[in-house]
Amino acid sequence: QVQLVQSGAEVKKPGASVKVSCKASGYTFTSYYMHWVRQAPGQGLEWMGIINPSGGSTNYAQKFQDRVNMTRDTSTSTVYMELSSLRSEDTAVYYCARRSGDYALDYWGQGTLVTVSS
Amino acid sequence: DIQMTQSPSSLSASVGDRVTITCRASQDIRNDLGWYQQKPGKAPKRLIYAASSLQSGVPSRFSGSGSGTEFTLTISSLQPEDFATYYCLQHTIYPYTFGQGTKLEIK
Repeated sequence: QVQLVQSGAEVKKPGASVKVSCKASGYTFTSYYMHWVRQAPGQGLEWMGIINPSGGSTNYAQKFQDRVNMTRDTSTSTVYMELSSLRSEDTAVYYCARRSGDYALDYWGQGTLVTVSS
Repeated sequence: DIQMTQSPSSLSASVGDRVTITCRASQDIRNDLGWYQQKPGKAPKRLIYAASSLQSGVPSRFSGSGSGTEFTLTISSLQPEDFATYYCLQHTIYPYTFGQGTKLEIK
């Protein structure tokens, strides 16, 4: 069965960077793009970007263009999302989600809470 | 960016009620729309894809309709486990955008 398992919660200081991982199993890793979505406390869902695990190409939301870097490691079927220059507004749960055949999001990771606090 | 306007933002209903949630897109998104259910502390779960197709394993009391710019999610007879927050998502063009969410609460 498809599973996306994310890394654990992080606490970071303003200005630091965080790197969240998402390990995929139960399907051919390179056959499905992976999205990243975040959700601030008590708020809605916000799409951050997408990576093609096969070639590594990415497409980022303009809001994050200068601060986000999505990468992948095909040897471990893992995608990564690194966000730099963190500020308090980046406190959120970060989700990876697989792109489905119809280009939406089907399977989701369990989420990773990133807290930015001095 | 395509704006997704979801209404209502909150809804109070009783078990057995029929409820409808609406999403309007700021431009034509064909049928590139999904509906997601999220419970507190959990990841979203897809209910509907391609505007009106039921995700495997999702109860048939959930249905979706619409195309172009106006879409609806209907729950025909609310069950206790349906009280959650619902989001629409357009995936016709990057950046993908979600509606603001509808919190469905027990009356």
